[in-house]
Amino acid sequence: NAGVTQTPKFRILKIGQSMTLQCAQDMNHNYMYWYRQDPGMGLKLIYYSVGAGITDKGEVPNGYNVSRSTTEDFPLRLELAAPSQTSVYFCATTPDGVREQFFGPGTRLTVL
Amino acid sequence: AQSVTQPDIHITVSEGASLELRCNYSYGATPYLFWYVQSPGQGLQLLLKYFSGDTLVQGIKGFEAEFKRSQSSFNLRKPSVHWSDAAEYFCAVEVASGTYKYIFGTGTRLKVLA
Repeated sequence: NAGVTQTPKFRILKIGQSMTLQCAQDMNHNYMYWYRQDPGMGLKLIYYSVGAGITDKGEVPNGYNVSRSTTEDFPLRLELAAPSQTSVYFCATTPDGVREQFFGPGTRLTVL
Repeated sequence: AQSVTQPDIHITVSEGASLELRCNYSYGATPYLFWYVQSPGQGLQLLLKYFSGDTLVQGIKGFEAEFKRSQSSFNLRKPSVHWSDAAEYFCAVEVASGTYKYIFGTGTRLKVLA
């Protein structure tokens, strides 16, 4: 199993551009999450999903959108990128009935 | 609202010394508590978790943590630190029972001196 994969690993965007961060998992986990990590701030939940077709906002959803059409994929969309969205983004999954999060390797995004 | 506090931003210990990382939480009922470790450039990995029962829980890599309800604490310990333990450590709590949503502390970065 590949576990949780994220693409790309690194990306530089210009202000106002848009992009999609990809997250895929092959563990058939129901729960999927997007976090951003900023220095000294820990992880902040952006969006999460309890299953295909169901998503909900986390602590810091502004400027982001998600969709969950399949169990495997949970892409995060940035529209009109801003410097404040410079961060490291982590995707994570949790299987039903198990309270452990499995994290991807992260995507480092810089908005200039 | 639930919250997690890690009062130490940085901790430096010598290799072979003991380690204690502090975590305090704010939660109305018995919380689900976790410790994760993040090595440089990596995602987070679960060290251990507490749901109920024995208040001293054992984890991977020789770590343990003790849940103290009276102090609202869940401190992480290791008797003898290895250089490979240098990393950032995060305490987390489930937002509410059954939600599968979590709040993370701001992290403690551990440096190990040879």
